Amino acid sequence: QKEVEQNSGPLSVPEGAIASLNCTYSDRGSQSFFWYRQYSGKSPELIMSIYSNGDKEDGRFTAQLNKASQYVSLLIRDSQPSDSATYLCAARSNDYKLSFGAGTTVTVRA
Amino acid sequence: EADIYQTPRYLVIGTGKKITLECSQTMGHDKMYWYQQDPGMELHLIHYSYGVNSTEKGDLSSESTVSRIRTEHFPLTLESARPSHTSQYLCASSESGDLYGYTFGSGTRLTVV
Repeated sequence: QKEVEQNSGPLSVPEGAIASLNCTYSDRGSQSFFWYRQYSGKSPELIMSIYSNGDKEDGRFTAQLNKASQYVSLLIRDSQPSDSATYLCAARSNDYKLSFGAGTTVTVRA
Repeated sequence: EADIYQTPRYLVIGTGKKITLECSQTMGHDKMYWYQQDPGMELHLIHYSYGVNSTEKGDLSSESTVSRIRTEHFPLTLESARPSHTSQYLCASSESGDLYGYTFGSGTRLTVV
Protein backbone atom coordinates (compact mmCIF):
# COMPACT_ATOMS: atom_id res chain seq x y z
CA GLN A 1 0.00 0.00 0.00
CA LYS A 2 1.33 3.41 -0.96
CA GLU A 3 1.67 5.87 1.90
CA VAL A 4 -0.34 8.53 0.07
CA GLU A 5 -3.05 7.69 -2.44
CA GLN A 6 -4.82 10.19 -4.69
CA ASN A 7 -7.84 9.78 -6.95
CA SER A 8 -6.31 8.84 -10.24
CA GLY A 9 -7.94 11.36 -12.54
CA PRO A 10 -7.62 12.94 -14.94
CA LEU A 11 -10.25 15.37 -13.75
CA SER A 12 -11.91 17.63 -16.30
CA VAL A 13 -14.09 20.50 -15.10
CA PRO A 14 -15.70 23.45 -16.90
CA GLU A 15 -14.43 26.93 -16.22
CA GLY A 16 -16.09 28.39 -13.14
CA ALA A 17 -16.88 25.01 -11.58
CA ILE A 18 -15.47 23.46 -8.41
CA ALA A 19 -12.66 20.93 -8.78
CA SER A 20 -12.50 18.41 -5.92
CA LEU A 21 -9.33 16.46 -5.27
CA ASN A 22 -9.05 13.67 -2.72
CA CYS A 23 -6.15 12.06 -0.90
CA THR A 24 -5.80 9.37 1.76
CA TYR A 25 -2.74 8.51 3.81
CA SER A 26 -1.70 5.40 5.68
CA ASP A 27 0.61 6.72 8.43
CA ARG A 28 -1.53 7.70 11.42
CA GLY A 29 1.50 9.52 12.85
CA SER A 30 1.49 12.08 10.03
CA GLN A 31 0.68 15.50 11.41
CA SER A 32 1.07 17.91 8.52
CA PHE A 33 -0.18 17.79 4.97
CA PHE A 34 0.55 19.75 1.84
CA TRP A 35 -0.86 20.34 -1.62
CA TYR A 36 1.48 21.13 -4.47
CA ARG A 37 0.65 22.28 -7.98
CA GLN A 38 2.89 21.18 -10.83
CA TYR A 39 2.55 22.56 -14.32
CA SER A 40 3.80 20.37 -17.14
CA GLY A 41 7.59 20.50 -17.36
CA LYS A 42 7.88 22.61 -14.20
CA SER A 43 8.73 21.87 -10.58
CA PRO A 44 6.11 21.47 -7.83
CA GLU A 45 4.90 24.64 -6.13
CA LEU A 46 3.43 24.63 -2.61
CA ILE A 47 -0.11 26.02 -2.62
CA MET A 48 -1.64 24.85 0.68
CA SER A 49 -0.61 23.34 3.99
CA ILE A 50 -2.91 22.04 6.71
CA TYR A 51 -2.22 20.64 10.17
CA SER A 52 -5.53 20.70 12.07
CA ASN A 53 -8.80 18.92 11.44
CA GLY A 54 -11.29 21.01 9.52
CA ASP A 55 -11.09 23.46 6.67
CA LYS A 56 -8.44 25.98 5.69
CA GLU A 57 -9.20 28.54 3.02
CA ASP A 58 -6.77 30.57 0.92
CA GLY A 59 -8.35 32.49 -1.91
CA ARG A 60 -10.08 30.06 -4.26
CA PHE A 61 -8.44 27.06 -2.56
CA THR A 62 -9.84 25.17 0.44
CA ALA A 63 -7.99 22.29 2.07
CA GLN A 64 -9.87 19.89 4.31
CA LEU A 65 -8.35 17.46 6.80
CA ASN A 66 -9.96 14.59 8.68
CA LYS A 67 -7.32 12.76 10.72
CA ALA A 68 -9.77 10.13 12.01
CA SER A 69 -10.51 9.10 8.42
CA GLN A 70 -6.94 9.79 7.28
CA TYR A 71 -8.32 11.92 4.51
CA VAL A 72 -7.22 15.19 2.94
CA SER A 73 -8.93 17.07 0.16
CA LEU A 74 -8.48 20.19 -1.92
CA LEU A 75 -11.29 22.20 -3.44
CA ILE A 76 -10.63 24.70 -6.19
CA ARG A 77 -13.54 27.11 -6.54
CA ASP A 78 -14.29 29.13 -9.68
CA SER A 79 -11.79 27.01 -11.64
CA GLN A 80 -9.79 28.85 -14.25
CA PRO A 81 -7.85 27.51 -17.26
CA SER A 82 -4.67 28.54 -15.41
CA ASP A 83 -5.56 25.93 -12.74
CA SER A 84 -4.92 23.16 -15.28
CA ALA A 85 -2.03 21.25 -13.75
CA THR A 86 -1.16 18.15 -11.75
CA TYR A 87 -1.89 18.44 -8.03
CA LEU A 88 0.25 16.48 -5.60
CA CYS A 89 -0.82 15.58 -2.08
CA ALA A 90 1.94 15.07 0.48
CA ALA A 91 2.06 13.91 4.10
CA ARG A 92 4.96 14.54 6.44
CA SER A 93 6.19 11.53 8.39
CA ASN A 94 8.02 11.52 11.71
CA ASP A 95 11.39 11.41 9.97
CA TYR A 96 10.60 14.79 8.34
CA LYS A 97 10.33 13.35 4.84
CA LEU A 98 7.30 14.09 2.73
CA SER A 99 5.50 11.18 1.10
CA PHE A 100 3.95 12.29 -2.18
CA GLY A 101 0.97 10.87 -3.96
CA ALA A 102 1.11 10.10 -7.67
CA GLY A 103 -0.84 13.27 -8.45
CA THR A 104 -4.18 14.12 -10.02
CA THR A 105 -4.18 15.94 -13.35
CA VAL A 106 -6.83 18.64 -13.62
CA THR A 107 -7.97 20.16 -16.90
CA VAL A 108 -10.22 23.21 -16.82
CA ARG A 109 -12.27 23.54 -20.01
CA ALA A 110 -12.86 27.09 -21.20
CA GLU B 1 12.31 34.95 -6.86
CA ALA B 2 13.78 31.48 -6.34
CA ASP B 3 15.70 30.81 -3.13
CA ILE B 4 16.85 27.41 -4.31
CA TYR B 5 18.87 27.22 -7.47
CA GLN B 6 19.68 24.34 -9.76
CA THR B 7 22.19 24.34 -12.58
CA PRO B 8 22.28 23.51 -15.37
CA ARG B 9 18.63 23.83 -16.35
CA TYR B 10 19.11 21.48 -19.31
CA LEU B 11 21.98 19.08 -20.02
CA VAL B 12 22.63 16.74 -22.94
CA ILE B 13 25.62 14.53 -22.41
CA GLY B 14 27.20 11.42 -23.88
CA THR B 15 27.18 7.96 -22.33
CA GLY B 16 30.01 7.35 -19.89
CA LYS B 17 30.57 10.98 -18.95
CA LYS B 18 30.78 12.12 -15.35
CA ILE B 19 28.32 14.86 -14.45
CA THR B 20 27.49 16.92 -11.39
CA LEU B 21 24.12 18.58 -10.95
CA GLU B 22 24.32 21.62 -8.71
CA CYS B 23 21.81 22.67 -6.06
CA SER B 24 22.17 25.64 -3.74
CA GLN B 25 19.76 27.34 -1.37
CA THR B 26 20.00 30.65 0.43
CA MET B 27 17.38 29.97 3.10
CA GLY B 28 19.66 28.28 5.63
CA HIS B 29 17.58 25.10 5.52
CA ASP B 30 19.12 22.05 7.18
CA LYS B 31 17.17 19.52 5.17
CA MET B 32 17.73 18.97 1.46
CA TYR B 33 16.44 16.37 -0.98
CA TRP B 34 16.96 15.08 -4.51
CA TYR B 35 14.05 13.67 -6.49
CA GLN B 36 13.91 12.03 -9.90
CA GLN B 37 10.80 12.48 -12.02
CA ASP B 38 10.06 11.19 -15.50
CA PRO B 39 7.47 13.13 -17.58
CA GLY B 40 3.96 12.54 -16.26
CA MET B 41 5.21 10.22 -13.56
CA GLU B 42 5.61 10.27 -9.78
CA LEU B 43 8.36 11.89 -7.77
CA HIS B 44 10.95 9.42 -6.52
CA LEU B 45 13.27 10.32 -3.63
CA ILE B 46 16.84 9.35 -4.46
CA HIS B 47 18.92 11.13 -1.77
CA TYR B 48 18.42 13.34 1.24
CA SER B 49 20.45 15.17 3.86
CA TYR B 50 19.53 16.46 7.30
CA GLY B 51 22.64 18.60 7.70
CA VAL B 52 26.31 19.01 6.95
CA ASN B 53 28.11 15.68 6.50
CA SER B 54 24.78 13.82 6.64
CA THR B 55 23.55 12.01 3.52
CA GLU B 56 21.16 9.11 3.06
CA LYS B 57 19.84 7.11 0.13
CA GLY B 58 16.17 7.50 -0.66
CA ASP B 59 13.45 5.10 -1.68
CA LEU B 60 14.55 4.73 -5.30
CA SER B 61 17.81 2.96 -5.97
CA SER B 62 20.14 5.30 -7.78
CA GLU B 63 23.65 5.09 -9.15
CA SER B 64 24.24 8.70 -8.19
CA THR B 65 26.06 10.04 -5.14
CA VAL B 66 25.66 13.24 -3.14
CA SER B 67 27.70 15.30 -0.73
CA ARG B 68 26.84 17.95 1.87
CA ILE B 69 29.96 19.84 2.86
CA ARG B 70 28.18 23.18 3.28
CA THR B 71 24.64 23.82 4.47
CA GLU B 72 23.67 25.68 1.34
CA HIS B 73 25.11 23.25 -1.23
CA PHE B 74 23.92 19.72 -2.12
CA PRO B 75 25.39 18.52 -5.43
CA LEU B 76 24.47 15.23 -7.10
CA THR B 77 27.08 13.32 -9.13
CA LEU B 78 26.76 10.58 -11.72
CA GLU B 79 30.15 8.93 -12.26
CA SER B 80 29.23 7.37 -15.60
CA ALA B 81 26.06 8.57 -17.27
CA ARG B 82 23.82 6.09 -19.10
CA PRO B 83 20.69 6.59 -21.23
CA SER B 84 18.63 5.14 -18.34
CA HIS B 85 19.62 8.22 -16.32
CA THR B 86 17.65 10.44 -18.68
CA SER B 87 15.10 12.18 -16.46
CA GLN B 88 14.27 15.38 -14.62
CA TYR B 89 16.14 15.86 -11.34
CA LEU B 90 14.54 18.10 -8.72
CA CYS B 91 16.27 19.48 -5.65
CA ALA B 92 14.26 20.62 -2.62
CA SER B 93 14.91 21.99 0.86
CA SER B 94 12.91 22.49 4.02
CA GLU B 95 13.15 23.93 7.49
CA SER B 96 13.13 21.64 10.48
CA GLY B 97 9.81 20.98 12.16
CA ASP B 98 6.52 19.46 11.20
CA LEU B 99 4.90 22.56 9.80
CA TYR B 100 7.11 23.12 6.78
CA GLY B 101 6.77 21.79 3.29
CA TYR B 102 9.51 21.59 0.71
CA THR B 103 10.67 24.38 -1.57
CA PHE B 104 11.69 22.97 -4.94
CA GLY B 105 14.27 24.25 -7.36
CA SER B 106 13.49 24.62 -11.06
CA GLY B 107 15.00 21.24 -11.87
CA THR B 108 17.62 19.90 -14.27
CA ARG B 109 16.40 18.04 -17.31
CA LEU B 110 19.12 15.50 -18.16
CA THR B 111 19.37 13.68 -21.47
CA VAL B 112 22.05 11.02 -21.92
CA VAL B 113 22.69 10.07 -25.53
